[in-house]
Amino acid sequence: SQTIHQWPATLVQPVGSPLSLECTVEGTSNPNLYWYRQAAGRGLQLLFYSVGIGQISSEVPQNLSASRPQDRQFILSSKKLLLSDSGFYLCAWDGAKYAEQYFGPGTRLTVT
Amino acid sequence: KQEVTQIPAALSVPEGENLVLNCSFTDSAIYNLQWFRQDPGKGLTSLLLIQSSQREQTSGRLNASLDKSSGRSTLYIAASQPGDSATYLCAVSLDSNYQLIWGAGTKLIIKP
Repeated sequence: SQTIHQWPATLVQPVGSPLSLECTVEGTSNPNLYWYRQAAGRGLQLLFYSVGIGQISSEVPQNLSASRPQDRQFILSSKKLLLSDSGFYLCAWDGAKYAEQYFGPGTRLTVT
Repeated sequence: KQEVTQIPAALSVPEGENLVLNCSFTDSAIYNLQWFRQDPGKGLTSLLLIQSSQREQTSGRLNASLDKSSGRSTLYIAASQPGDSATYLCAVSLDSNYQLIWGAGTKLIIKP
């Protein structure tokens, strides 16, 4: 069966510090991968998606970036965090376009 | 521009009641619609996916319907239990890209 992992589970970082969040998927190959952010009391915002290694599409211009160095690994990064980057970051995958999406447990990021 | 609305934003009912959660979307050109559940501080769990050609999907005590022409979907929960307490989110997939458009969710509380 497929499993999606995210780490760390929680993170507190000062403004201006770098960020690296990691997501890995097991039990499937060539998944589509997604990074979402959920701000407190608000809906989900798609940040990036990837349909293959090295292929990243950005939905929202910001100081975040994403990379996919391996088929089942998706990394969210920032060189300098802003207060507005605080939120709940979720990684998701699906097996094909329009297919059911499955989510990881999320990372709670607080920028102080 | 596609917009997804969920009403009500919050709902509290006694245990054992049957209930309906609503999701509406402004553009009927969707490919599918998904219902998710989110427990506090957790990731999302996919409940049901309805393809645009389908009218309904069922899983256990859950039944989701889709009326594309009127831009509506409902999630019916039969014989509600305290364990059903969570936020329920619906999302539609656009025909043109990989992005899901999300509703803000309905926070459901089932009182014992």
